[in-house]
Amino acid sequence: GAGVSQSPSNKVTEKGKDVELRCDPISGHTALYWYRQRLGQGLEFLIYFQGNSAPDKSGLPSDRFSAERTGESVSTLTIQRTQQEDSAVYLCASSLLYGYTFGSGTRLTVV
Amino acid sequence: AQSVTQLGSHVSVSEGALVLLRCNYSSSVPPYLFWYVQYPNQGLQLLLKYTTGATLVKGINGFEAEFKKSETSFHLTKPSAHMSDAAEYFCAVSEGEYGNKLVFGAGTILRVKS
Repeated sequence: GAGVSQSPSNKVTEKGKDVELRCDPISGHTALYWYRQRLGQGLEFLIYFQGNSAPDKSGLPSDRFSAERTGESVSTLTIQRTQQEDSAVYLCASSLLYGYTFGSGTRLTVV
Repeated sequence: AQSVTQLGSHVSVSEGALVLLRCNYSSSVPPYLFWYVQYPNQGLQLLLKYTTGATLVKGINGFEAEFKKSETSFHLTKPSAHMSDAAEYFCAVSEGEYGNKLVFGAGTILRVKS
C-alpha cells in the first residue's frame, strides 16, 4: 500500500487478556519497527526486523511481549496477560533507507 | 550508545515569531539526524533529515535544521510561526543507513499563541 497501515486503530481490553496488534508496512521496505508511546512521553523502541536477519528484541519490556514478521510483509505484536501499564499508543514504522514512515498507531487501553 | 536530548518539553511562541527547538545528540559514529512532527491524534511525520553533505537541511512547512558537529546539535528552526505549527516535535538519531533503529528524544510540544 501507499503507507504503513496499523490495525486496530483503537483497542480496549481487560487486564489479563492477550492482544494482537497488526502492522502492514510499505511494500518493498525491508525494515520494520515497533515503538511504544505512553501518554506524555517519547517513543520507546520495542523491536526491529531487518530482512531475514534475527530481530533486535532489545527493547521488549518483558517476556509478555513478542512480535513476528513474515518475510518482508506483515508484522504482529502480541502482548500476553495485559497490564494497565501496557496502555499506550503502539506505533509501527517501516523503512528502506534513511528515516521511517510511521503508521497512525494502535491506541491500547487496558482496563 | 546513542542518545538525544531535547531541551524544553514545552515551547511557546507568538504567531509570526521565530521557532527554535533544541536538540543535542551523542553518537560514537557520524550520525544520521531526523526531526519528526506529530499533530494531535496522528502518527509521526518526517519533517527533515540530515545524512551527509550540506549541514543546513530544509524540510517541509518552512522548517530547517543545521547539523553542527562541534556542538553535537541539530536545532530546528522556522523564521515565522504559524498557528498550524502547533504540534509535538521529536528529534532522532541513527548510527547508520539502511534501516538502523532510531533513538528518539522525549519530544517538545510547540504552542503558538495568536
